[in-house]
Amino acid sequence: GENVEQHPSTLSVQEGDSAVIKCTYSDSASNYFPWYKQELGKRPQLIIDIRSNVGEKKDQRIAVTLNKTAKHFSLHITETQPEDSAVYFCAASLTGGGNKLTFGTGTQLKVEL
Amino acid sequence: DAGITQSPRYKITETGRQVTLMCHQTWSHSYMFWYRQDLGHGLRLIYYSAAADITDKGEVPDGYVVSRSKTENFPLTLESATRSQTSVYFCASSDSGRISLNTEAFFGQGTRLTVV
Repeated sequence: GENVEQHPSTLSVQEGDSAVIKCTYSDSASNYFPWYKQELGKRPQLIIDIRSNVGEKKDQRIAVTLNKTAKHFSLHITETQPEDSAVYFCAASLTGGGNKLTFGTGTQLKVEL
Repeated sequence: DAGITQSPRYKITETGRQVTLMCHQTWSHSYMFWYRQDLGHGLRLIYYSAAADITDKGEVPDGYVVSRSKTENFPLTLESATRSQTSVYFCASSDSGRISLNTEAFFGQGTRLTVV
């Protein structure tokens, strides 16, 4: 089955700096890669996703890049703000193959003032 | 996201008891999922369902039972609860993506289960 590894497990940045979280996946058939943000005590919520036919996607301060050859994808957050502090999860799935998401173990992002 | 709801939000049960966690979605999504969240493990898939009466095991199915007699409901039962099943449980649903190409998974609020 799919295996997703995520690094780092914790990340501390100064407000206004950029943050990068990296994930690798094992199943070359996976074609959908979402990123979820989970605030303390809340449910995970989708912040951005990318499909295997796209190399990069951007939404305001958030961007995701995908390298299919290396089976590697990354989340980039620019101009970080205190409200970006949360746990971020990457995931991988095969659309049409059950839509099952395999998650990374999460990154605790702390944005310090 | 009032479209997917879980109940109860919190539950304390004793070892060996049967407990059922409920999940209800109003979007008529084909797919429904149960995940458990534990520190250091992220979210791990317990069971999933592609449609009513179709269920399949995920990564950590042992000790759990699911059913899906109606599209909108996907209850998770712990037949004989153990302390290792203390966790936060999340239900999720997603469309098949065959028409809309949107396979975003929406999560319920979670159920915090403690087995004592």
